[in-house]
Amino acid sequence: DIQMTQSPSSVSASIGDRVTITCRASQDISTWLAWYQQKPGKAPKLLIFGASSLQSGVPSRFSGSGSGTDFTLTISSLQAEDFATYYCQQANNLLSFGGGTRVEI
Amino acid sequence: QVQLVESGGGLVKPGGSLRLSCEASGFIFNDYYMSWVRQAPGKGLEWVSYMSGSGTHTNSADSVRGRFTISRDNAKKSLHLQMNSLRGEDTAVYYCATVLLQYGSPAALNYWGQGTLVTVSS
Repeated sequence: DIQMTQSPSSVSASIGDRVTITCRASQDISTWLAWYQQKPGKAPKLLIFGASSLQSGVPSRFSGSGSGTDFTLTISSLQAEDFATYYCQQANNLLSFGGGTRVEI
Repeated sequence: QVQLVESGGGLVKPGGSLRLSCEASGFIFNDYYMSWVRQAPGKGLEWVSYMSGSGTHTNSADSVRGRFTISRDNAKKSLHLQMNSLRGEDTAVYYCATVLLQYGSPAALNYWGQGTLVTVSS
């Protein structure tokens, strides 16, 4: 099984801040990585797939990078609607998710 | 527009069974891999199972293999999850989702339903 570890587990930020979330895989997953945003009581929303490809309709302030075992989700200028929990997910061997990172004020 | 509506959740005793359904609309259902993902109360996301558009290719997480069975009815545009031998740790909101393929392999989950709650308790 591939384990996905996110850090930090939570981050406090302000509107306009640049926020970076890290995801580490327990083995090489190439670029088989996706990122999701989830708000309380709602289903997750796909942001990034293939480590760096932006899903249609997702604002360009979201970007993803990395390959192998280390990946990053960056929000270039945090907006009010971005306060949420973010999950990474690998697809190199079946699917599995990281534990989540809560972005709070 | 893509719409996924789950149903079938509820309260069930440990060792019991439940069948979840997901009704799909707004896309060519049999062209898509479909998946189930769950989320225990206050916890993170856990992938459960997925199935190819034709129904010939399936895979499941170790935690449910042998107890849960994914199936689909393409004529009715519906996805199902038969859950047997339920345990307390299966308590969760269960989401169905469409699978985005890259190079012909599952890569991400691009559309999600609103979820249905399954509670396993005596």
